[in-house]
Amino acid sequence: DGGITQSPKYLFRKEGQNVTLSCEQNLNHDAMYWYRQDPGQGLRLIYYSQIVNDFQKGDIAEGYSVSREKKESFPLTVTSAQKNPTAFYLCASSDSYYGYTFGSGTRLTVV
Amino acid sequence: KNQVEQSPQSLIILEGKNCTLQCNYTVSPFSNLRWYKQDTGRGPVSLTIMTFSENTKSNGRYTATLDADTKQSSLHITASQLSDSASYICVVSGVTGTASKLTFGTGTRLQVTL
Repeated sequence: DGGITQSPKYLFRKEGQNVTLSCEQNLNHDAMYWYRQDPGQGLRLIYYSQIVNDFQKGDIAEGYSVSREKKESFPLTVTSAQKNPTAFYLCASSDSYYGYTFGSGTRLTVV
Repeated sequence: KNQVEQSPQSLIILEGKNCTLQCNYTVSPFSNLRWYKQDTGRGPVSLTIMTFSENTKSNGRYTATLDADTKQSSLHITASQLSDSASYICVVSGVTGTASKLTFGTGTRLQVTL
């Protein structure tokens, strides 16, 4: 089955620590995205990539970094510079505006 | 500023009843409007997508309508089931295929009870 896989499902981060969220897709989609979801707010775009080795900042990129070395993979690193990282993170991919698929999400909590 | 507003914020209905969720948007230029269902702790799943020229689209018990003139959309759920309990998110795309132009509503949380 084609799909998009995020891991881990739950992640705990200590103060000052960097953590990396994984996102893998086997849909052969060119574009991949990272969103952050907070209670009572719409999804907000962190980073997106429309092609391998290229990515663009979204609306809330500060404190985050990404890489796109392979078409299938788009990992997100939440750095210590992100002061309020506790949130639900969603990865998505698309080949056109019709083929927009979300992963099942990673819940990150600062402890 | 591009905005998508959904109402109501939350809704409780009895199993078997119908309901209608609303979405108003100010996104311009408009490309398409999507409705997603998101179960708690899961990623959103697409229900419908409509372009400017489409004014209704169905997916089983879900029927979405679009009025591009008034910039309004609705999602009607027929004969609700307990499994319909979820958040329903309206998403408007301003430019074809460009992620940075997607605008998300905050969702309507629907609870279906016995």
